[in-house]
Amino acid sequence: QQQVKQSPQSLIVQKGGISIINCAYENTAFDYFPWYQQFPGKGPALLIAIRPDVSEKKEGRFTISFNKSAKQFSLHIMDSQPGDSATYFCAASKTDKLIFGTGTRLQVFP
Amino acid sequence: DVKVTQSSRYLVKRTGEKVFLECVQDMDHENMFWYRQDPGLGLRLIYFSYDVKMKEKGDIPEGYSVSREKKERFSLILESASTNQTSMYLCASRPSSSYNEQFFGPGTRLTVL
Repeated sequence: QQQVKQSPQSLIVQKGGISIINCAYENTAFDYFPWYQQFPGKGPALLIAIRPDVSEKKEGRFTISFNKSAKQFSLHIMDSQPGDSATYFCAASKTDKLIFGTGTRLQVFP
Repeated sequence: DVKVTQSSRYLVKRTGEKVFLECVQDMDHENMFWYRQDPGLGLRLIYFSYDVKMKEKGDIPEGYSVSREKKERFSLILESASTNQTSMYLCASRPSSSYNEQFFGPGTRLTVL
């Protein structure tokens, strides 16, 4: 069963624009929410992560917004660049296992 | 830098063959994972291991087995490959805490004919 729902499946953004990817989860026991970035031909790599005791975490141009009551979290990429073109996966975990979303392919055009 | 290596980038096998996918990590991580990645389905956990000779089933273990005889090496075995096991296989490792980053290898693209 899909415990982490991710949308959209694909996203096209102009350079300099804001990219927003959304995820929703079902299990209220989840307490760690990372985002992974994957470039073609590479394995995913951790981009940014949040714990549910905060509503927002920012690292450079990347921000996670977390809404515990709605069981939703999102990734915002400010000033999107062509180098940000990649597939992004949200994930959630409680114990040793990460449950991944289905992925969003982001394309940033100059 | 943490390095996770996988034995092959591309592999082509025939239905019914026994297939071994090898993964090695060089950072003394306790936990290791095998995922498969399919378009529209994301990453799905096949098996993971939290110590030598220990293994736990993930979400889709059917048709797969694993072996971890040494801390740095985690092998995925397809006992009798089938066409529906054509996929990208990703190995990852992580220090023992659940909140630590998982480090992924580059993946093995397996095609079963």
